[in-house]
Amino acid sequence: AQKITQTQPGMFVQEKEAVTLDCTYDTSDPSYGLFWYKQPSSGEMIFLIYQGSYDQQNATEGRYSLNFQKARKSANLVISASQLGDSAMYFCAMREGDAGGTSYGKLTFGQGTILTVHP
Amino acid sequence: AAGVIQSPRHLIKEKRETATLKCYPIPRHDTVYWYQQGPGQDPQFLISFYEKMQSDKGSIPDRFSAQQFSDYHSELNMSSLELGDSALYFCASSIQGYEQYFGPGTRLTVT
Repeated sequence: AQKITQTQPGMFVQEKEAVTLDCTYDTSDPSYGLFWYKQPSSGEMIFLIYQGSYDQQNATEGRYSLNFQKARKSANLVISASQLGDSAMYFCAMREGDAGGTSYGKLTFGQGTILTVHP
Repeated sequence: AAGVIQSPRHLIKEKRETATLKCYPIPRHDTVYWYQQGPGQDPQFLISFYEKMQSDKGSIPDRFSAQQFSDYHSELNMSSLELGDSALYFCASSIQGYEQYFGPGTRLTVT
């Protein structure tokens, strides 16, 4: 079964508007971490934001915020004030066994969403 | 700030040849991961090392092996290369329990 599901193969947004990229996950582990990475056309993987399963508040990093709904097992990425440079592939990923910062577990990725920002 | 270094950045090999990919983690990071990303696919975990010991193993073919050395750099050795091994190979490093930072990747093309 797919552990990370990104249902939007592609998304379009106008420059300066906000956009939400969806991510749902499946795990029976009570301790896990959720990550978002950006992959521009040049290929590198850029870490954006992290949310731990025990975190009480939604994570934020500059223009990026993570809408974490634990009961629904969703971890959507919200990008505010989109810029042309935000055009890229975005991956949601999960690391299981994340208790107390002791995990060295692998990341499991979703299929990705290609975001295109229009001027 | 120092980042993960991977070499070479591009590699072209023929079928049945061998290849060695190198990874130099961010200083003081104790964990190294290798991922394979096929064309149009998401990255797939291959293998990881914590403090120079193998810590986890994913869908890594038997033709592949990896190790982490005393200076924490890691090498992924790939033998009897097949066309299907053509992919972007990422190395990532982290302090245990924290976010993984990826290198720029090595693009391997097998002809």
